[in-house]
Amino acid sequence: QVQLVESGGGVVQPGGSLRLSCAASGFTFSSYGMHWVRQAPGKGLEWVAFIRYDGSNKYYADSVKGRFTISRDNSKNTLYLQMNSLRAEDTAVYYCALNYIGGFDPWGQGTLVTVSS
Amino acid sequence: DIQLTQSPSFLSASVGDRVTITCRASQGISSYLAWYQQKPGKAPKLLIYAASTLQSGVPSRFSGSGSGTEFTLTISSLQPEDFATYYCQQLNSYPPWTFGQGTKVEIK
Repeated sequence: QVQLVESGGGVVQPGGSLRLSCAASGFTFSSYGMHWVRQAPGKGLEWVAFIRYDGSNKYYADSVKGRFTISRDNSKNTLYLQMNSLRAEDTAVYYCALNYIGGFDPWGQGTLVTVSS
Repeated sequence: DIQLTQSPSFLSASVGDRVTITCRASQGISSYLAWYQQKPGKAPKLLIYAASTLQSGVPSRFSGSGSGTEFTLTISSLQPEDFATYYCQQLNSYPPWTFGQGTKVEIK
């Protein structure tokens, strides 16, 4: 079945960097666009970034533009999110999600990023 | 950017109740609206897409309606496993893909 598994979260100091990974299985990864969505503690969902199936187009939320980079390796069935210049307000659970017809489905289980000194 | 406003933000209901959640868009989005359910500590789950199409495996007590700027999610008979937070999302005009602020459904 379709499965997405995130990894790479952890505690990082303000100004630091972190790279998240999302391992995909159970579908033809190279045929689908992918998203990153985050959720700060006790808050709602915030879309972060999108990459087309072939990596040719990438979009970012204004809140992360210039600091985060989405990428993918279709040979490894893996999605990435490189996060630089991290701020306290980037603290959240980060989910990867498949760009399905009409919505995001499925989602991974999430990985927690905590930005704190 | 398109803003989505859900109402109510919180509701308290009993098992068996009919529950309706509304999502209003700041501009017309045709039928490009999805609904998600999220339980504590879990990832969101797609319930409905294209405003009214039930995702595979989702119980038929869930239904969606609307187009343009006003949409509703209805649970015809609330079950214990339905207590969760529900989000709407627009997929008409992007980026960004925006979500409503969420509606938490709790047990009365």
